[in-house]
Amino acid sequence: GENVEQHPSTLSVQEGDSAVIKCTYSDSASNYFPWYKQELGKRPQLIIDIRSNVGEKKDQRIAVTLNKTAKHFSLHITETQPEDSAVYFCAASLINDYKLSFGAGTTVTVRA
Amino acid sequence: DAGITQSPRYKITETGRQVTLMCHQTWSHSYMFWYRQDLGHGLRLIYYSAAADITDKGEVPDGYVVSRSKTENFPLTLESATRSQTSVYFCATLGISGYYEQYFGPGTRLTVT
Repeated sequence: GENVEQHPSTLSVQEGDSAVIKCTYSDSASNYFPWYKQELGKRPQLIIDIRSNVGEKKDQRIAVTLNKTAKHFSLHITETQPEDSAVYFCAASLINDYKLSFGAGTTVTVRA
Repeated sequence: DAGITQSPRYKITETGRQVTLMCHQTWSHSYMFWYRQDLGHGLRLIYYSAAADITDKGEVPDGYVVSRSKTENFPLTLESATRSQTSVYFCATLGISGYYEQYFGPGTRLTVT
């Protein structure tokens, strides 16, 4: 099955700086890559996703990039704010399979 | 978010007991999923269902049983709970509309003593 590795496991950034989280996947057939954000004690929520026919996608301060050849994708958060502090999970799947394989998560702390 | 609920929210049980976690959705989404969340492992898929009466195993199905007699309900049963099943359990749904976001329930924190 699909194996997703996520790095780093923890990330501390100064408010206003950028944060980057990287994930690698093992199954070259995977073509759907979502990112979920989970605040403390809350449920995971989708923040952005990308399909394999696209190399980059942006939504305000959040962007995701995908390198299919290298089988890795990254989440970029610019101008970080305290409300960005949370655990972020990457995932991968076949787009019509719906079974997500998640990375282990990155705990992001934004320092004021 | 109120479209998907889980009960109970917290449960403490003893080793060997049978426990059922409930998941209910009001959206009539076709797909439903059960995940467990453990530190260092992220979210791991236990079972999923594509529709009523259709279920299939995920990554970590051992020790769990599911059923889906109605579209809106997807209960997860631990037939004989073990300490290794202490975890936070999340139910999720997915609607087939060309949009692939999985909507998660609030979670059930289960402790097996």
